[in-house]
Amino acid sequence: AQTVTQSQPEMSVQEAETVTLSCTYDTSESDYYLFWYKQPPSRQMILVIRQEAYKQQNATENRFSVNFQKAAKSFSLKISDSQLGDAAMYFCAYRSAYGGSQGNLIFGKGTKLSVKP
Amino acid sequence: ETGVTQTPRHLVMGMTNKKSLKCEQHLGHNAMYWYKQSAKKPLELMFVYSLEERVENNSVPSRFSPECPNSSHLFLHLHTLQPEDSALYLCASSQGALLDTQYFGPGTRLTVL
Repeated sequence: AQTVTQSQPEMSVQEAETVTLSCTYDTSESDYYLFWYKQPPSRQMILVIRQEAYKQQNATENRFSVNFQKAAKSFSLKISDSQLGDAAMYFCAYRSAYGGSQGNLIFGKGTKLSVKP
Repeated sequence: ETGVTQTPRHLVMGMTNKKSLKCEQHLGHNAMYWYKQSAKKPLELMFVYSLEERVENNSVPSRFSPECPNSSHLFLHLHTLQPEDSALYLCASSQGALLDTQYFGPGTRLTVL
């Protein structure tokens, strides 16, 4: 069974600085998707960025980018020029590329990011 | 944040009560999901509906009963819950079941006394 591990329960960053959130996963599959979701306090979870395992190029979305290391099964999220609105719980998630119950999203426990003004 | 809505946002109920959680998606999706989010635990998938048929039921106790009357609405009926069922219940939707990006609602914070 696949697992997702976020080893940093909490992180803190100064406004305008850069922070990297770690995520590792375990799978025997070769084709899958990885996601970072953001859940602000008392607000709904939104997708931040998505990476297809077959793509070697790291995904980027504005100030958010990932470092996808397939061999190491690592998928870290880098937030550049951190803003106060980036404060949230961040969840890393894995999903098989195959259908059926293998396609379930598997989440890590999350990392709580605080942004200091 | 109006793509997926959930009501109520907060619910307190006793163990003998019967209540229902409602989810509505305005995205034209045809798959909907219920997740349970407990403190310091990963999100747990409870149920998946695709085209109004249940396609996934992750060994959820029978005191949780889902209902999907159409592709835009999803309910979670609750009865004789336990205190350990207290959690944030999240609804999500996607264009296709399981293989497409899921969009989440704000959740219902449930407290069972």
